Amino acid sequence: DTGVSQDPRHKITKRGQNVTFRCDPISEHNRLYWYRQTLGQGPEFLTYFQNEAQLEKSRLLSDRFSAERPKGSFSTLEIQRTEQGDSAMYLCASSYRDRNQPQHFGDGTRLSIL
Amino acid sequence: KNEVEQSPQNLTAQEGEFITINCSYSVGISALHWLQQHPGGGIVSLFMLSSGKKKHGRLIATINIQEKHSSLHITASHPRDSAVYICAGYEGTSGSRLTFGEGTQLTVNP
Repeated sequence: DTGVSQDPRHKITKRGQNVTFRCDPISEHNRLYWYRQTLGQGPEFLTYFQNEAQLEKSRLLSDRFSAERPKGSFSTLEIQRTEQGDSAMYLCASSYRDRNQPQHFGDGTRLSIL
Repeated sequence: KNEVEQSPQNLTAQEGEFITINCSYSVGISALHWLQQHPGGGIVSLFMLSSGKKKHGRLIATINIQEKHSSLHITASHPRDSAVYICAGYEGTSGSRLTFGEGTQLTVNP
């Protein structure tokens, strides 16, 4: 399977703990995106990378959130000192670099904060 | 006010019916993505379009740039079409970030 893969699929943790999610994009895709989706809502943009450069961050991405894509391949999203409001589905997508390219999504990581 | 708005929020149909989901978007959206999301979260890209009409199987997507409106049609609907359908717009000249509508929950009954 050469699609976008995310790990883990589910994460349950206690409030205040740190969590890290991983996304492996489609190998030839330059762009990688992170989104967050809460129940009953459409996804919201968090940040995106072109190769290893983080080009844009949403105001939703507080200083407790950090994303990296160190070698321009896989990416990690870390949430420090998790809060109840962080409970959501975290989606990763990738695309070619050119403008207005279709994005291919992973199955997401569902985070539950106890 | 969201830059991408969908209607209806919920839609129930009988198998075989023709289905239309609408999407209106604001100035600054350069292209539209129609996506399908099944329970459990997986999102599948259906169409990307910035003009005209696209067709794939029983799915048809149209866009009217002047009216800033797009529609997704499903012909001869089937229970396996039951899912959330999401319209998302690419913002601005960079064509990078997507702004999503809230989705339309479609249920097709046998």
